[in-house]
Amino acid sequence: AQTVTQSQPEMSVQEAETVTLSCTYDTSESDYYLFWYKQPPSRQMILVIRQEAYKQQNATENRFSVNFQKAAKSFSLKISDSQLGDAAMYFCALGGGTSYGKLTFGQGTILTVHP
Amino acid sequence: NAGVTQTPKFQVLKTGQSMTLQCAQDMNHEYMSWYRQDPGMGLRLIHYSVGAGITDQGEVPNGYNVSRSTTEDFPLRLLSAAPSQTSVYFCASRPGGRGYEQYFGPGTRLTVT
Repeated sequence: AQTVTQSQPEMSVQEAETVTLSCTYDTSESDYYLFWYKQPPSRQMILVIRQEAYKQQNATENRFSVNFQKAAKSFSLKISDSQLGDAAMYFCALGGGTSYGKLTFGQGTILTVHP
Repeated sequence: NAGVTQTPKFQVLKTGQSMTLQCAQDMNHEYMSWYRQDPGMGLRLIHYSVGAGITDQGEVPNGYNVSRSTTEDFPLRLLSAAPSQTSVYFCASRPGGRGYEQYFGPGTRLTVT
C-alpha cells in the first residue's frame, strides 16, 4: 500500500518571503511519480509541479521548486517570492508508474500568505 | 475544450435516496477516476476506469457504483445515500501512459441529511 503524509496542517508566510511545505511518502514501487496540487477557495485542483522518481534533478516551475530526497522518501515544495494568490490548500500526491493513474494524496496543508 | 465537467455543483439528499453524479471529459483521455475529499483526509479514490467497459474499485468503494460505456462519460451512482457520504466529490481524467497529471473537474458538494 502507498501512503503520503503531510505533517503540517497549516503554514503561513509573509508576501515576498519563501516557504517550504513538507511531504513524506512510502511505496514499494520503483517506478512512481510525485505531484503537488494546489486547491484555492474555488475548490479547483491545479497541478503545481511534477517529479519523476527516476530523475535525480529536482523539478522547478517558475517560483515553485521541489526538494526530492528519494532515499528518505521526502518530497518538499518550496515557494519563493510568495504572492497573495498562492494562498490555498496544497496536496502532495503519489502515483505509481503502473497504477493506471491512481493517486494517493496526503492530508493537505493550508497556506496563508500575509501582506 | 471544456476539460472535465461535473454536474451538479451542489446537491442535498435525504438518507436512503439515490442519485447519479455526472462526469464528462472531452480530451479523449483513457483513464478516469472518482475521488472524495473529506476534511483532514485529503482525497481518496472511490473507483477508476482504464477505458470504456473497464472499471475497478479504489480505496473507498462501498456505497458507490460506476460504469463507463463511453470514453467521455464516467457517472458515479449513490445507491442509498448515507450521512457518511457527505463530502466533496471530484472526477478526474488523464491520458494513458506513465506519469501524466490528472485533470480534475470542479467538484460536487454533496450533503446527506
